[in-house]
Amino acid sequence: SQQGEEDPQALSIQEGENATMNCSYKTSINNLQWYRQNSGRGLVHLILIRSNEREKHSGRLRVTLDTSKKSSSLLITASRAADTASYFCATFIAGGTSYGKLTFGQGTILTVHP
Amino acid sequence: AAGVIQSPRHLIKEKRETATLKCYPIPRHDTVYWYQQGPGQDPQFLISFYEKMQSDKGSIPDRFSAQQFSDYHSELNMSSLELGDSALYFCASSPGLTNTEAFFGQGTRLTVV
Repeated sequence: SQQGEEDPQALSIQEGENATMNCSYKTSINNLQWYRQNSGRGLVHLILIRSNEREKHSGRLRVTLDTSKKSSSLLITASRAADTASYFCATFIAGGTSYGKLTFGQGTILTVHP
Repeated sequence: AAGVIQSPRHLIKEKRETATLKCYPIPRHDTVYWYQQGPGQDPQFLISFYEKMQSDKGSIPDRFSAQQFSDYHSELNMSSLELGDSALYFCASSPGLTNTEAFFGQGTRLTVV
């Protein structure tokens, strides 16, 4: 089963608008990471938020984490056409004999119209 | 800055053939992860290594095997290829600490015909 589920599955906005993507997960995590992927290309790391953090910023990106609700959100402010991509959240869980692994959600396809 | 290098970038194989994908992690990264991403799908975890030992195993078919070598590069060996193995295969590396980012390579696009 999916550890992370994202909504919306697709988001279409105009340049300059803000885009918000949400991610929910099922079990306790060490951290949650957001990635961007342009069509058929590699995964680009955007931001990591630890389980003891509630909010983190990086440029036009703002990520929140609510461990009580097991959810996270990614806000992209003042979006640009170049932000058009798929965005994935990934939860990192380590424990026991495991050094940890990232489990990805289904992703949100963001389209920013010029 | 050095990134994760994967080779080859593209690979076309016939059914029942074998394929070997290579991954060269960022220097001083001792953890390597392998992921498979089908068309329109999210990346699925296959297997990971830490300090040359297998760390975690995900949905990796028995036909696939992988290892991490003394120089920390990793290889994913795929045998008896099936049409359904066609996908993007990503390798990622990290310094091996819990709260550090995993950096992904550009992927190998495998097409099985």
